[in-house]
Amino acid sequence: EAQVTQNPRYLITVTGKKLTVTCSQNMNHEYMSWYRQDPGLGLRQIYYSMNVEVTDKGDVPEGYKVSRKEKRNFPLILESPSPNQTSLYFCASSSSTDRSYEQYFGPGTRLTVT
Amino acid sequence: QKEVEQNSGPLSVPEGAIASLNCTYSDRVSQSFFWYRQYSGKSPELIMSIYSNGDKEDGRFTAQLNKASQYVSLLIRDSQPSDSATYLCAVDKGSFQKLVFGTGTRLLVSP
Repeated sequence: EAQVTQNPRYLITVTGKKLTVTCSQNMNHEYMSWYRQDPGLGLRQIYYSMNVEVTDKGDVPEGYKVSRKEKRNFPLILESPSPNQTSLYFCASSSSTDRSYEQYFGPGTRLTVT
Repeated sequence: QKEVEQNSGPLSVPEGAIASLNCTYSDRVSQSFFWYRQYSGKSPELIMSIYSNGDKEDGRFTAQLNKASQYVSLLIRDSQPSDSATYLCAVDKGSFQKLVFGTGTRLLVSP
């Protein structure tokens, strides 16, 4: 089954404790993105990647890091989480050959930073 | 001015009616426009994409684009209770990988 998976789905942590949210896709997509979704602010892009070792900032990159060492994986790293990073996070992937340019979203990770 | 603006709703329509969802955007260089549907607690899923002025129909859904007015809309014909969801408008920022999303319009279809 073609899918984007994220882990963990739910995470409660404390300020300053480094964490990683994993994202993996099995569709051989070149493009992957991370978004956060907050009430009243909608979905905002954090980082995106065009291919292995190629990443770029989205609209809200501060406080986040990403890496793309393998085509299928695109982890999101919060090195020192703060309460304002409490949010719902989505990973998405898409293909450069798919003319619909559809982004396939993962199930989401709900993060709470206390 | 927000880059992509949508009325938050809720937009309430009776079953069988036409639901009309609207979106305006600010960047004239945008070339790709998308409508995503998001059920409560779920991830967004693509319903329609449109790239040129005019209408694009897919089943009960019609997307309309007017680049001169910087306006894109989604019509849902014969609305069903299962269409009740939040509809997100997304617009590219010069690259289809850099998308800006509106905050969404919540649609409620009553039986």
